[in-house]
Amino acid sequence: NAGVTQTPKFQVLKTGQSMTLQCAQDMNHNSMYWYRQDPGMGLRLIYYSASEGTTDKGEVPNGYNVSRLNKREFSLRLESAAPSQTSVYFCASWERTDSGQFFGPGTRLTVL
Amino acid sequence: DAKTTQPPSMDCAEGRAANLPCNHSTISGNEYVYWYRQIHSQGPQYIIHGLKNNETNEMASLIITEDRKSSTLILPHATLRDTAVYYCIVNAGGTSYGKLTFGQGTILTVHP
Repeated sequence: NAGVTQTPKFQVLKTGQSMTLQCAQDMNHNSMYWYRQDPGMGLRLIYYSASEGTTDKGEVPNGYNVSRLNKREFSLRLESAAPSQTSVYFCASWERTDSGQFFGPGTRLTVL
Repeated sequence: DAKTTQPPSMDCAEGRAANLPCNHSTISGNEYVYWYRQIHSQGPQYIIHGLKNNETNEMASLIITEDRKSSTLILPHATLRDTAVYYCIVNAGGTSYGKLTFGQGTILTVHP
């Protein structure tokens, strides 16, 4: 039981490049989330998926797209990376019957 | 979701109880108080949550005032491994699909 896994752990991009961050959970949770955390700040919600087949914008969605591939997987795509997207990205999953969200270890992204 | 106010930092001696306060004076009747912590740069970890009754689990106790405008997270016997950023979050749970709003939290430092 791995919980929430994220790939890659680290990534360096040049401005304008694209990439997809992958997230998977093995807890059969319905809801999944993508957050970003800038240095010294709390986490901010980018997008979430309340259930398979649905996605919605969070607090800071601009510059990102998401795909809920199936119940297990929720990916985050940067189409044209910008230095302002340098951050640590966390994926989380949650089930209403559970107590709290389970977070992955994060992806540390640097955009030059 | 209601806004929360936490002290930016606190210290605690190892083996003593750590009492972390949180003010949420605009909390609504259907909103829960959640506590998470983030150790170093890891993903946040759920600790405990409550609606209006005091709660206890293997990690901590949560005391919510009768008017629900404030709460205290208690770590009964703090260890060095409890050094982390602690986030108090107010959220309506299932009705808001678990969309969490993280503030800057309280940096708890446990000293030997």
